[in-house]
Amino acid sequence: AQSVTQPDIHITVSEGASLELRCNYSYGATPYLFWYVQSPGQGLQLLLKYFSGDTLVQGIKGFEAEFKRSQSSFNLRKPSVHWSDAAEYFCAVVPNTGTASKLTFGTGTRLQVTL
Amino acid sequence: GAVVSQHPSWVICKSGTSVKIECRSLDFQATTMFWYRQFPKQSLMLMATSNEGSKATYEQGVEKDKFLINHASLTLSTLTVTSAHPEDSSFYICSAGSLLSYTFGSGTRLTVV
Repeated sequence: AQSVTQPDIHITVSEGASLELRCNYSYGATPYLFWYVQSPGQGLQLLLKYFSGDTLVQGIKGFEAEFKRSQSSFNLRKPSVHWSDAAEYFCAVVPNTGTASKLTFGTGTRLQVTL
Repeated sequence: GAVVSQHPSWVICKSGTSVKIECRSLDFQATTMFWYRQFPKQSLMLMATSNEGSKATYEQGVEKDKFLINHASLTLSTLTVTSAHPEDSSFYICSAGSLLSYTFGSGTRLTVV
């Protein structure tokens, strides 16, 4: 069955420290991959996405993600976290069909930033 | 960038009444609209997928007669929670999908009392 796993439910980092949020997927073929961020009581904002090409993807707010086919992973990274990055982060995938198919979300990782 | 306007952002209604949530895509046409429900501290649960001019496709376990979805145009989709009960209280989010771009509304917090 197709699935997305975010192993870390909750992560706490100090402001200024680096961050890596993990995402692994299980799909028959390489899907399209997304990272979203959600602040409390808000909708989801796209951080970045990967369809093909360069496996290191740059996104907004200083985030980047690296697609590793051999590990079926798409981990999100940020070199220096800011207090405003505290939020819920969701990894999501969609089948590589070229149409607007439904997203499958991971369970999310809650990021807490300490000052 | 693409924007999806979702209204209302929050609503409180009495048990037994119906509530309508609207999502409008601004400056772009949404061929597909997805409706999600999110419980506190949980991920998004897809309720249904609708394409403009077609009947919505509901996920298993979602009551189509309770959660009425209308997608009459490429810029407007509505979710109506009929005969709402306290267990329907939740956070509802829409997402407009078009050519592998998914834009989310800001969500609606529904509280049924």
